Amino acid sequence: DIQMTQSPSSLSASVGDRVTITCRASQSISIFLNWYQQKPGKAPNLLIYGASSLQSGVPSRFSGSGSGTDFTLTINNLQPEDFATYYCQQSYITPRTFGQGTKLEIK
Amino acid sequence: EVQLVESGGGLVQPGGSLRLSCAASGFTFSSYWMSWVRQAPGKGLEWVANIKQDGSEKNYADSVKGRFTISRDNAKNSLYLQMNGLRGEDTSVYYCAREGDEILTGYVGTASYFDKWGQGTLVTVSS
Repeated sequence: DIQMTQSPSSLSASVGDRVTITCRASQSISIFLNWYQQKPGKAPNLLIYGASSLQSGVPSRFSGSGSGTDFTLTINNLQPEDFATYYCQQSYITPRTFGQGTKLEIK
Repeated sequence: EVQLVESGGGLVQPGGSLRLSCAASGFTFSSYWMSWVRQAPGKGLEWVANIKQDGSEKNYADSVKGRFTISRDNAKNSLYLQMNGLRGEDTSVYYCAREGDEILTGYVGTASYFDKWGQGTLVTVSS
C-alpha cells in the first residue's frame, strides 16, 4: 500500500495569512493526488484533484502543486471558513489511501 | 442536485452484522464507480471498498477483506455494504462517495477522486 504522510499535523494561522500543507507519498504517484477539506461533523469536500486542478465551485485562493512523491496545498488570504482539517489522498493505485490530516486552527 | 443518503447504521455487538445502504439521486448512478469511506471517532479517513459501474469489479481494504461485501443495484440507484464479523475497530462513521474521474492531458491514466459524499451513518460496535 502507498503511505501518505502530511505535515504539519496541526497549524495555527490568522485570517489573511497564506498557509502551506505538504503531503508525501511513499512511492511515486505521478499527479494522482487529491485534497479534501473537512469541517467538524461534516463530510469531506473535494478541493483539488490531479494535484493541481481546482474542483468546480472551490475558491481560487486554494491551489495545489507537485508530482511524483511531494505535493503541496496552499491557501492564500485565509478566510474564517477555511479553518478545518485537510486531507490528501492518492488515487494512483487501489487501495486508495489518505494522509493522516492537518488541522488548521485560528491563531 | 446530487444527493447521497446513507442509512442502516446503529449499535451492534462484536461479531454481529449490519447492512448499510446509500440512496443516490441527481445523477446517472450506473455511470460511476462508488466507494465506502469510514472515519473512526476523532480519527482520519479510511477507504473501505469500491465497486465498478456494473458491479463486475470490487476492491477492499485489507482491514475488511473477507468480512465486508460491497454491492449495488443500479435499477434502484443504491449502494450497499454488508458488514459481517464486526469488531470494535470497525466503529466509525461510514460515508458513501461517488468517484469522479478525468483524463488529464499529458498523463497516462485517469485521475479519480471522491467528488460527492453522503452525510454519513454511524456504526458502533460494542457489547
